[in-house]
Amino acid sequence: DVKVTQSSRYLVKRTGEKVFLECVQDMDHENMFWYRQDPGLGLRLIYFSYDVKMKEKGDIPEGYSVSREKKERFSLILESASTNQTSMYLCASSPGGPAVSGNTIYFGEGSWLTVV
Amino acid sequence: GEDVEQSLFLSVREGDSSVINCTYTDSSSTYLYWYKQEPGAGLQLLTYIFSNMDMKQDQRLTVLLNKKDKHLSLRIADTQTGDSAIYFCAESNPDTGFQKLVFGTGTRLLVSP
Repeated sequence: DVKVTQSSRYLVKRTGEKVFLECVQDMDHENMFWYRQDPGLGLRLIYFSYDVKMKEKGDIPEGYSVSREKKERFSLILESASTNQTSMYLCASSPGGPAVSGNTIYFGEGSWLTVV
Repeated sequence: GEDVEQSLFLSVREGDSSVINCTYTDSSSTYLYWYKQEPGAGLQLLTYIFSNMDMKQDQRLTVLLNKKDKHLSLRIADTQTGDSAIYFCAESNPDTGFQKLVFGTGTRLLVSP
């Protein structure tokens, strides 16, 4: 069974803290993604990675960085958390090509982050 | 940039048909998708349609694409309470490597008994 695992489901952090969100996939996928989900705004792409140590900015990269040292692991880093980063964060992975049939994008269950 | 719009809420009774609508702006969209998100879960792919198709049917799901108006719809026949979820449409195109999906705002479907 395919798996994208996000290590923390619920986190509460203080303003200014450094926050790490971890994601692991067991499908040997090339691509990995971090999205942010907010009510009324849908999913917005923060960063994606198409290979180890490769990364590309998405639509809302400001305030975030990422790390992909191993193929199976993609980390999202909030260098200095702020209250406007309170959100649900979704990790996803996929093989190459269009997201259809066997190339489906698989999502983790999400990490709810509250910054106080 | 690309923009994908959906209405936020839809409420139907069990057994009725549901129609969820989506509009997009990118004329080079090649694949259009419908994803379902159940409470507390990630997204799962329901169905997709290639841009040279007008319609695709998959059991209770019917996808209609009007490429001229850039309008996509998802019809769920005989809607069940288990269909209550958030439904996202999304698009991709070769210019952004296909898998860099642009998602809509999501439509929350509530099915009442």
